Amino acid sequence: KNEVEQSPQNLTAQEGEFITINCSYSVGISALHWLQQHPGGGIVSLFMLSSGKKKHGRLIATINIQEKHSSLHITASHPRDSAVYICAARSGGGADGLTFGKGTHLIIQP
Amino acid sequence: IAGITQAPTSQILAAGRRMTLRCTQDMRHNAMYWYRQDLGLGLRLIHYSNTAGTTGKGEVPDGYSVSRANTDDFPLTLASAVPSQTSVYFCASSAGEENEQFFGPGTRLTVL
Repeated sequence: KNEVEQSPQNLTAQEGEFITINCSYSVGISALHWLQQHPGGGIVSLFMLSSGKKKHGRLIATINIQEKHSSLHITASHPRDSAVYICAARSGGGADGLTFGKGTHLIIQP
Repeated sequence: IAGITQAPTSQILAAGRRMTLRCTQDMRHNAMYWYRQDLGLGLRLIHYSNTAGTTGKGEVPDGYSVSRANTDDFPLTLASAVPSQTSVYFCASSAGEENEQFFGPGTRLTVL
């Protein structure tokens, strides 16, 4: 079973700061997902990537397959970015092949 | 319906009672999932269904059952609720097993 670790667990930053959230996993994967969970509880998929880098607005996700590591970056952070960010690693085929990290709780202060 | 819905939004239940959490999606996705989310543990898969008519056990299936009679609906049943099943339950769906998952708004369940 894949072990997925996220760091930091909690992060508080000022508006405008560049944010980095890290995710490492123990077993080779076919894809890495980044999810966002807002204070209201809803979960939204941000990225699914298997190599390189993806960008959507102010969000950038990168993955290094050799190092078994992925990062989620937020540029020009804003209070509305405050949420829990969750990474999930797919290490096998089948619907049960996704292992979730415990999440990073991000607070952006104005 | 737009996307994936869950009902009820929240529920308080006496231990020993039977409860069914409902999940419906209108995206014609083949795969559907039930997760529970507990503080400090993250999301854990309870049961899944790759396609209508098939189901499978996830990481924490004990005390739960599911059915997939059609593509759209994937109910989760607690036959006899226990306090350890107090949690937030999320239903999700995806076009295929290895595609992006779309999550419902969640059901907050408290078992007393």
